[in-house]
This record gives sequence, C-alpha cells and structure tokens, in this order.
Amino acid sequence: AQSVTQLDSQVPVFEEAPVELRCNYSSSVSVYLFWYVQYPNQGLQLLLKYLSGSTLVKGINGFEAEFNKSQTSFHLRKPSVHISDTAEYFCAVGKAAGNKLTFGGGTRVLVKP
Amino acid sequence: EPEVTQTPSHQVTQMGQEVILRCVPISNHLYFYWYRQILGQKVEFLVSFYNNEISEKSEIFDDQFSVERPDGSNFTLKIRSTKLEDSAMYFCASSEGSGYNEQFFGPGTRLTVL
Repeated sequence: AQSVTQLDSQVPVFEEAPVELRCNYSSSVSVYLFWYVQYPNQGLQLLLKYLSGSTLVKGINGFEAEFNKSQTSFHLRKPSVHISDTAEYFCAVGKAAGNKLTFGGGTRVLVKP
Repeated sequence: EPEVTQTPSHQVTQMGQEVILRCVPISNHLYFYWYRQILGQKVEFLVSFYNNEISEKSEIFDDQFSVERPDGSNFTLKIRSTKLEDSAMYFCASSEGSGYNEQFFGPGTRLTVL
C-alpha cells in the first residue's frame, strides 16, 4: 500500500518570497508522483508529475519539484510566489500498474502582500 | 479547453435517502474515477471505471455505492441509503489512460447528509 505525508498543513509566505512544500511517500512498488493545486471553489489541477528520468521536474506557474528516491521525497518549490498562488496543494502517488491516486493531507499556502 | 463537469454543486439530503451525483468526463477519456474528501481529511479514492466495469475500488466503496455510465457522456455515483458520515466533497475525474496519465478533476459536489 502507498501512503503520502505532507508535513506542513499550512504555510504562510510573503509575496515574492520562495516557498517549499514538503511531501514524503512510502510504497513497496514503483510509483508515479504528482502535485495538484486546488484554488477556492475549484477542482484539483495538475501542477506537475514525475514519471521517470530527470529528478527535477518543472511544472506550470513556475513550480518545480525534485524527486529524491533515497529520501522518498517529492518536495515542491517556487522561487517567488504571487498572491494568486494562494491555494491548497496536494501531493499524490499513483502505482505504475493501477488507477488510483493516493493523496497527502494537503498544504494550504497563504501568500501575504 | 475541455473540462470535467459535475452536478449539482451542492446536494442536501436526509439520512437514508438515495442520492445520485453526476459527472460529465472529458469526451475522449476512457478511465473514470470518484474520490471524496471529508471536511478536514485527505482526498480518498473510491472507485475507478473502465470499459463499462469497475477496475478498482477501495474499502470505502461498499454495497451502498454504485457507479454507472448510463450513456456516452455521463458517469454517475449513487449512494443508496445515505449516512451522516457520507457528508463530504465528491470529486469526479477522468483520464485518457491509466497509471501515469493525468487525471482531470471536476469542481466537486458537496454532499450534506442531515
């Protein structure tokens, strides 16, 4: 079985400051890794995904994430946040053979002016 | 840009009543999913559906739940006899394929069971 832990439930950050959202996972099989964002009153939108290859993955809106197999982590970063990045961010894992995504608890990012 | 749509956005029902949550997946997608998020908890997988049958389901998805693709466009989740603990946000998703394929999520239906 897979599990995902997002270590921070809330992250307040000032506009134009960097942000890092932490995600650790556990799995006995190969997994794919995803970060989704949920803006208020909207569905989940994919930010980026790691399937294989380069461990640094770039996504939309200036976000990137680094896969670290030895630490079983997939932390999300953005060097300079905007007010519009205020949202909830979910890390998820999917199995190579399978359909379901297993989500972390989410990290709520509040960008302050 | 194609998107997954869900209706209604909010459903209020009495305990013991049946509810049907509706979803229109993206038209060329072949895999369909339901997830739920109880307030303050994680997004949880309920079921995946492919080729007109359930391909995977979680332990949450018991006999009270069923899914159906009644026509070429809709995908529904039925809860036969709702319980208070079924109150949650229910998300529908669809994807072109399984595994590494991106799942596109709808905006959700908030179900409140009184």
